[in-house]
Amino acid sequence: DVVMTQTPPSLSVAIGQSVSISCKSSQSLVYSDGKTYLHWLLQSPGRSPKRLIYQVSNLGSGVPDRFSGTGSQKDFTLKISRVEAEDLGVYYCAQTTHFPNTFGAGTKLELK
Amino acid sequence: EVQLQESGPGLVKPSQSLSLTCSVTGYSITSNYWGWIRKFPGNKMEWIGHISYSGSTSYNPSLKSRISITRDTSKNQFFLQLNSVTTEDTATYYCARWGGAFDYWGQGVMVTVSS
Repeated sequence: DVVMTQTPPSLSVAIGQSVSISCKSSQSLVYSDGKTYLHWLLQSPGRSPKRLIYQVSNLGSGVPDRFSGTGSQKDFTLKISRVEAEDLGVYYCAQTTHFPNTFGAGTKLELK
Repeated sequence: EVQLQESGPGLVKPSQSLSLTCSVTGYSITSNYWGWIRKFPGNKMEWIGHISYSGSTSYNPSLKSRISITRDTSKNQFFLQLNSVTTEDTATYYCARWGGAFDYWGQGVMVTVSS
């Protein structure tokens, strides 16, 4: 299985601060069609997961442009500029390039 | 708007089968791919499997001998059956539209395996 290593496991931030979360995969996530199926999700407290970014850098519908995704092959980053209170929760990276699909262990974003 | 809703028992006894239903509105399950994901106590997430627009399935090999994902297109529902459950299957189970890179999720159903 592809192992997704997410760091840090937790972040304590102040509102307005910018943060980055890293996700590294044990194999390249480039599929045979040339696309990279690496996605970012947020699970806010008491809510279902919400997709933020798909295929590395594409913003999901309704997701503010404070969120951005970069990376390639095996190394990916989610950046949140100017954190707001609604951004708190657990962030996951997930890959759907390989079967079985796998998730990172999560990064918990908390208020400082 | 695409909406998904899981339903099923919240408590299952060890060695029995867990059966969940995902009801989809706003989109036909004969298009796209539809999956099941579970989140264990703590933060660990696991992809269980999915069913395609044509009814073909793909399962996590760690569960393959115990699971079945089926559908009823007339009701726009798909189903998860997990056999021979143990306490390690205690989790919140979600259905989601897999083909959109998990762009729509149900609210989740918490399932506890306990005697």
